[in-house]
Amino acid sequence: KQEVTQIPAALSVPEGENLVLNCSFTDSAIYNLQWFRQDPGKGLTSLLLIQSSQREQTSGRLNASLDKSSGRSTLYIAASQPGDSATYLCAVRLISSGSARQLTFGSGTQLTVLP
Amino acid sequence: NAGVTQTPKFQVLKTGQSMTLQCAQDMNHNSMYWYRQDPGMGLRLIYYSASEGTTDKGEVPNGYNVSRLNKREFSLRLESAAPSQTSVYFCASTATSGGYEQYFGPGTRLTVT
Repeated sequence: KQEVTQIPAALSVPEGENLVLNCSFTDSAIYNLQWFRQDPGKGLTSLLLIQSSQREQTSGRLNASLDKSSGRSTLYIAASQPGDSATYLCAVRLISSGSARQLTFGSGTQLTVLP
Repeated sequence: NAGVTQTPKFQVLKTGQSMTLQCAQDMNHNSMYWYRQDPGMGLRLIYYSASEGTTDKGEVPNGYNVSRLNKREFSLRLESAAPSQTSVYFCASTATSGGYEQYFGPGTRLTVT
């Protein structure tokens, strides 16, 4: 069974810092990996989708990398801002999920960026 | 495009009552999902529908039923609510091309007393 782990569970940084959030998964036979952001009391917003054949994806100040062989992904946030405060979740889709394409989620990293 | 919409946003039920959570998407996605999110447990899949006319159990299906009414709509029914079903429920759908990105609705916060 695929297990997805995110460390740390919580992170607090001063504004302006660059930071890295970690995600690890046990089954490397993945189709793709998706990073989400969740604000308190809200739904999940997709940030980046990285296919198994890709090494990284970038969107603005966000960069996600994927190392399938080691079962790891990182989300890099440059020049953090208080508005980046949220919970960040990673989720993987196994090749074996077939047409269902369901995701397995990590528990998330709660990020606080202090002004 | 509204994306994925869910109704209601909040609901309080008494133990034993029934209710249906509604979900609709306007992105022409084939696959739709129901998750529940609980503190310390993360997001867990309840049921999913890979395509119109099919439904399958996820990780935690007990106490729930689903209906894929058409391609747009996927509802979740609690026949006899229990306090253990107090949770936040999310509906999601997956794109049928471009890498199968998953999109989420805003959630329904359900309390069973």
